[in-house]
Amino acid sequence: QLQLQESGPGLVKPSETLSLTCTVSGGSISSSSYYWGWIRQPPGKGLEWIGSIYYSGTTYYNPSLKSRVTISVDTSKNQFSLNLSSVTAADTAVYYCARANWGRYMDVWGRGTTVTVSS
Amino acid sequence: QSALTQPRSVSGSPGQSVTISCTGTSSDVGGYSYVSWYQQHPGKAPKLMIYDVSKRPSGVPDRFSGSKSGNTASLTISGLQAEDEADYYCCSYAGSYTVVFGGGTKLTVL
Repeated sequence: QLQLQESGPGLVKPSETLSLTCTVSGGSISSSSYYWGWIRQPPGKGLEWIGSIYYSGTTYYNPSLKSRVTISVDTSKNQFSLNLSSVTAADTAVYYCARANWGRYMDVWGRGTTVTVSS
Repeated sequence: QSALTQPRSVSGSPGQSVTISCTGTSSDVGGYSYVSWYQQHPGKAPKLMIYDVSKRPSGVPDRFSGSKSGNTASLTISGLQAEDEADYYCCSYAGSYTVVFGGGTKLTVL
């Protein structure tokens, strides 16, 4: 059974870079059928798509975050990662990773990890 | 890329039916047959309930159904049960390999 697990610091200082990793188990990140994505949810608010990556390294980003986001993949470790630069308190959120069937839907989600931006 | 519009809250009694709307534009909901719906209980990750407008993943009860007309998609839950109380989010493909979520709807089972 495919499982995704987010990991990374729970506290990041303003203006620094938020870095998270999603480890995929029970299946290969190199599957040609899927993309791998990041979604976040600020406290008490809705879901926001951050971006997606294909195992080949092709990336797609939310236009509103594109200037600050980098998503990368490490097929040897079955992991993909999120870097969000120049963070502010507005980036405080639960960050989820998920398996995406192209742009159609996200069918397997990690449990999420809470990241707080504060000095 | 603006968030899709959903009602902030809906409610219904056990056994009744409720419908949650999701309004976008011709650049997202109206332009593609790739609308999905997610159920989220407090403190939990979202769960896929509907994809490709009206398809149900294995294991999702047939009480959940989806449809679309023009720029508006809908999720209907029939035979409401207490465990259906949750937040529901729509999501649509928005072109150029991007997706956009709705603002979310809180369903209360009275």
